[in-house]
Amino acid sequence: GESVGLHLPTLSVQEGDNSIINCAYSNSASDYFIWYKQESGKGPQFIIDIRSNMDKRQGQRVTVLLNKTVKHLSLQIAATQPGDSAVYFCAEAMNTGNQFYFGTGTSLTVIP
Amino acid sequence: KAGVTQTPRYLIKTRGQQVTLSCSPISGHRSVSWYQQTPGQGLQFLFEYFSETQRNKGNFPGRFSGRQFSNSRSEMNVSTLELGDSALYLCASSWGLAGGIEQFFGPGTRLTVL
Repeated sequence: GESVGLHLPTLSVQEGDNSIINCAYSNSASDYFIWYKQESGKGPQFIIDIRSNMDKRQGQRVTVLLNKTVKHLSLQIAATQPGDSAVYFCAEAMNTGNQFYFGTGTSLTVIP
Repeated sequence: KAGVTQTPRYLIKTRGQQVTLSCSPISGHRSVSWYQQTPGQGLQFLFEYFSETQRNKGNFPGRFSGRQFSNSRSEMNVSTLELGDSALYLCASSWGLAGGIEQFFGPGTRLTVL
């Protein structure tokens, strides 16, 4: 079946620095990707999504990059803040369906 | 617009019992997906319902079942509970159609099996 994996299980960054969280996916047929943020005791919160016809998408302080050639997805967070500390998940799906596959998550810790 | 709601937020059960969890999707959303989240396992897909029909199913035993009502609210049931069923159960809703599958999660139900 499809699998989505994260390269780094933990990441620590200084406040104000940029963060990059990586994700590899295995299903070349996946054409829709989402990044979620999950804080302790809460459900995952939608951050940003990207479709396979795009290479880059920007939101507020976040950018998602998609490299279909190597099946790689990344989330960049600019000027990381303490409130960004959380576990980040990437998820993939095919736009024709509604079954998502999630990675195991990367724990981001922001050091004040 | 209200978000996805789940009830109850916390449950404690003993082995062998059964449990029913409830999820109310965002208004207008017709798809509800259920996930199990355990430490170190990430989010594992249980099943997805769309317009009262199970459209997708993950690799969980038959003890895990669900249903969806005409108002899109969904329930999942776990029978003959095992210790390993202790987890955070999350539901997510979406429009459910191509071009509108962004999923939004509820806060989850924390199930503890003793």
